[in-house]
Parts: sequence; structure tokens; C-alpha cells
Amino acid sequence: SQQGEEDPQALSIQEGENATMNCSYKTSINNLQWYRQNSGRGLVHLILIRSNEREKHSGRLRVTLDTSKKSSSLLITASRAADTASYFCATDEGTSGSRLTFGEGTQLTVNP
Amino acid sequence: GAVVSQHPSRVICKSGTSVKIECRSLDFQATTMFWYRQFPKQSLMLMATSNEGSKATYEQGVEKDKFLINHASLTLSTLTVTSAHPEDSSFYICSARGQGGSNEKLFFGSGTQLSVL
Repeated sequence: SQQGEEDPQALSIQEGENATMNCSYKTSINNLQWYRQNSGRGLVHLILIRSNEREKHSGRLRVTLDTSKKSSSLLITASRAADTASYFCATDEGTSGSRLTFGEGTQLTVNP
Repeated sequence: GAVVSQHPSRVICKSGTSVKIECRSLDFQATTMFWYRQFPKQSLMLMATSNEGSKATYEQGVEKDKFLINHASLTLSTLTVTSAHPEDSSFYICSARGQGGSNEKLFFGSGTQLSVL
């Protein structure tokens, strides 16, 4: 079953604006990851944040993690039309051979 | 980064036929691969975990005899949808964990869109 819940389900912004997506989860985790999926394609790994980290940056991406609230956010700054995609959070409970559990995803549309 | 190749990207078949989907790790050895199913505008649903040289581990509610998984080598896993029916139409995606320092993240194939007529 999916443990990640994301909001908003859909987000539409203008180029240059920032986009923030949120993810909540239910169990203890080893790490939380964000993936991007272009329509009809596989997923691409964006960034991983460990349970002992609170914030991480990668280019225009900023991820935060609040383990007390069991939530994470993904911020994309200065968005571009090419950022249009679905974004999924995924939690890793860290047990041996464990798989990732994906959230419901946020569909981001960046209008030129 | 690691590359996972999935074929075919799209397949249309008649009801009752079987369809095989291949997932290959091109530049690394994947002892574990994962098969997901995704409906339009929905998240990924894990179907099974494929372990090289052993039987796959299926998620609850996934029919083992319907979705046959074979992981005969460290670089190839296959998913066969047997006696496909229209309700099996979906987007199927495979993934594999990276190696070494990348072993926590997944590398995905590009997916297979299955349409059963």
C-alpha cells in the first residue's frame, strides 16, 4: 500500500515562479527520495534526504524533511517549462532488501 | 549514472495472448529488480520484487500465475503477462537498485504501455 501522500495533486504555475510540493508518510524511514516522471516515461531520481538530515539542495531543488511531522517538501526555484512533469516522493524504510513506497504524486505544469 | 533498458515500450495484443516485457541493467549488475504497474494519473503500485536466481516476491493481491517473473541473470529480469485481458492494460515499469554508493536509489526503465484488445 502507498504510504506517501502528496499535495497538491496538481499545481500550475508560470515560468520563473517557485513550485512547492509536499509529502507525508506514516512509518519510520531510513531516507526519503524524490523522483520525476515525464508523461509515459520511467522515473528519474532527483534527490535523496536521509532521516538525520533536515535540508538538502541540488541545483534548483531544495528538499526539507521533518521526521517529527513525518513530512517532506520539494521546492523547485525559478521554474521552467521543462520542469513540467509528475513528481513523486518515495520512502525507504531501510530494512534489508526493502523497496521504496511511492506517494500519489503531484502533477506540475509550468506555463511559458 | 546507471542505465536500465526496458522493452518493448509499447505493445498491443489480443485478449488471451501472453506478453513478455524485458528489463535489463546495462552497465551494472542488479541482484534485485522491481516491477511496478501504473494507471493513468496514479502512482506506482509495486507488483513484485525480482531476485536473481530465486523466486520473485509478489505483493498482496498480485497473481503469481498471471504475472510471471524471471530473473535468470544479474542483468535481466522479465515479466510475462499470461493470458492477457483488457483489464491488464496498463503502464508497466521496472527498476533496479544501483550499486555501491548509489544502492539506495532506483534506476527505472522507460516503461511499457500494454494495451489488450
